[in-house]
Amino acid sequence: DAGVTQSPTHLIKTRGQQVTLRCSPKSGHDTVSWYQQALGQGPQFIFQYYEEEERQRGNFPDRFSGHQFPNYSSELNVNALLLGDSALYLCASSLGSGTGGTGYTFGSGTRLTVV
Amino acid sequence: QQQVKQSPQSLIVQKGGISIINCAYENTAFDYFPWYQQFPGKGPALLIAIRPDVSEKKEGRFTISFNKSAKQFSLHIMDSQPGDSATYFCAASMSNDMRFGAGTRLTVKP
Repeated sequence: DAGVTQSPTHLIKTRGQQVTLRCSPKSGHDTVSWYQQALGQGPQFIFQYYEEEERQRGNFPDRFSGHQFPNYSSELNVNALLLGDSALYLCASSLGSGTGGTGYTFGSGTRLTVV
Repeated sequence: QQQVKQSPQSLIVQKGGISIINCAYENTAFDYFPWYQQFPGKGPALLIAIRPDVSEKKEGRFTISFNKSAKQFSLHIMDSQPGDSATYFCAASMSNDMRFGAGTRLTVKP
């Protein structure tokens, strides 16, 4: 039973560029939540996708956008990268939206470095 | 965005000792309080969780104590082992939004 798969594992981008991160949820899960974890900090909620729609969003600018596909996989896009976007980006999958964080399974994350 | 305060930032405990990590939250609408364990290079993994209608929950060596009136909760790790060395995060959530504490780096010395 595969867990949450994120790709790529590591990524280096230049300031101003755009990046796309990918997440495949755990088998049986249909909801994907994205988190940003800066070095030495706890994860911060970016947004959640369910039924191919953004259901809730944290305090992140519009440069952060996402998509969910019919197979429940998801992408996180960040435009006009800033140095401060350097972080570990985590994807968490679950079954159903509005579950209040119960049943979350996290992937190992994508380490994004902006230079 | 942080609405959950966690302490201490780091903790060193001898093998066999008790590790205690504390968290405080602000929003009384939170209704689910999990603790996550994270090893380097890995994502957080759920350790134990509690709902606000319960004051204590124990699973093996891990216990959550919850004080609703004080808006505080804590994680106790009994008989701490070197394999418990990791970063621990408390969290509080409602609906689709889960807020994490800043984390506690636990080191258990043999």
